[in-house]
Amino acid sequence: DAGVTQSPTHLIKTRGQQVTLRCSPKSGHDTVSWYQQALGQGPQFIFQYYEEEERQRGNFPDRFSGHQFPNYSSELNVNALLLGDSALYLCASSFRLAGALRTDTQYFGPGTRLTVL
Amino acid sequence: ELKVEQNPLFLSMQEGKNYTIYCNYSTTSDRLYWYRQDPGKSLESLFVLLSNGAVKQEGRLMASLDTKARLSTLHITAAVHDLSATYFCAVVGGTYKYIFGTGTRLKVLA
Repeated sequence: DAGVTQSPTHLIKTRGQQVTLRCSPKSGHDTVSWYQQALGQGPQFIFQYYEEEERQRGNFPDRFSGHQFPNYSSELNVNALLLGDSALYLCASSFRLAGALRTDTQYFGPGTRLTVL
Repeated sequence: ELKVEQNPLFLSMQEGKNYTIYCNYSTTSDRLYWYRQDPGKSLESLFVLLSNGAVKQEGRLMASLDTKARLSTLHITAAVHDLSATYFCAVVGGTYKYIFGTGTRLKVLA
């Protein structure tokens, strides 16, 4: 059973460029959340997708956008990259319990290390 | 806004010793998670605590939750080198998002 997968593993961009990160959820999961983890910090919630819609958003600017596809995979797009966007980007998948608003435990992928020069 | 604090931030301990990591959160939540992260790696789920008084144990780690005090503890018994990692607690904020603590970097010395 494949866990959460992310691509690419590492990425180097320059300021002002745009980047797309990809995530495939764990089998049977229908919800994808994205987090940004700066060096030495805890993960910060960016947003969550369920049924191809953004359900909740953290304190991130509109430069951060996402998408969820019918197969539940997801993309994170960041426009106009800043040096401060350098971080590990983590995707987490979970399953929304029937009739519930919340999801079960989130399982994290290996992350994409983004470096902005 | 929900805030989660952990202490200590850094912990260096000898093998065989016991210690406790604390996680305090600022508003009501009925679900708390503990994760482990090795350097350069992703987060591994350790425990999910769902109710007041919940206690979970796995090997040398034991986690507990006191929702009235808004406090969770992660107790390490007879530490071994393999437990060296960063430990995060996370609280469900609102319906969807996890709010993570600052993390506790644990180093177990031989």
